[in-house]
Amino acid sequence: KAGVTQTPRYLIKTRGQQVTLSCSPISGHRSVSWYQQTPGQGLQFLFEYFSETQRNKGNFPGRFSGRQFSNSRSEMNVSTLELGDSALYLCASSPGMGGNTGELFFGEGSRLTVL
Amino acid sequence: GEDVEQSLFLSVREGDSSVINCTYTDSSSTYLYWYKQEPGAGLQLLTYIFSNMDMKQDQRLTVLLNKKDKHLSLRIADTQTGDSAIYFCADVSGGYNKLIFGAGTRLAVHP
Repeated sequence: KAGVTQTPRYLIKTRGQQVTLSCSPISGHRSVSWYQQTPGQGLQFLFEYFSETQRNKGNFPGRFSGRQFSNSRSEMNVSTLELGDSALYLCASSPGMGGNTGELFFGEGSRLTVL
Repeated sequence: GEDVEQSLFLSVREGDSSVINCTYTDSSSTYLYWYKQEPGAGLQLLTYIFSNMDMKQDQRLTVLLNKKDKHLSLRIADTQTGDSAIYFCADVSGGYNKLIFGAGTRLAVHP
């Protein structure tokens, strides 16, 4: 079974630009969640989608948005990039139902550098 | 809000046992997790423990949970150089798939 695939793996943008990151979950998984990892703040939850609906959201400004498609693939977008948005963005998938809701399968991440 | 804390660095000799500690604040936690991150990679779920358990053993891994003190530990027996990585303790908070992670403990294994 293929794992979680994130594209692109690396990208460099300048301040003020926008970026779109893509995530393909494990086949059959209906939940996709996104996390931001930085040296200063560690791992922080961005949002989670299940069956095209956002079910949960972290404490990030509105510049961070996401969506999920009917095939469960997800994208996240960051507009008006700031230097502090430089981070590793991790996508994780799970079946999305059941009691053990923290059992996540992570992709290798998209490393964003903002200059 | 909920918080998870762990020490930042641990150095052990190859073949020894490693113990990584974690404390959490959410008394309603149902499951607690240990994830591993190798350099340049995403996170991998190592193991988890249900809150009504005190201990869980999975091959070289032993998880101990003290609910009264809100303390979680991960013991790795016979630590190998391949175990060198960052280990994250995590708690589910506020809904589906929203994990609160500790800062991560960097485990260095030396010969």
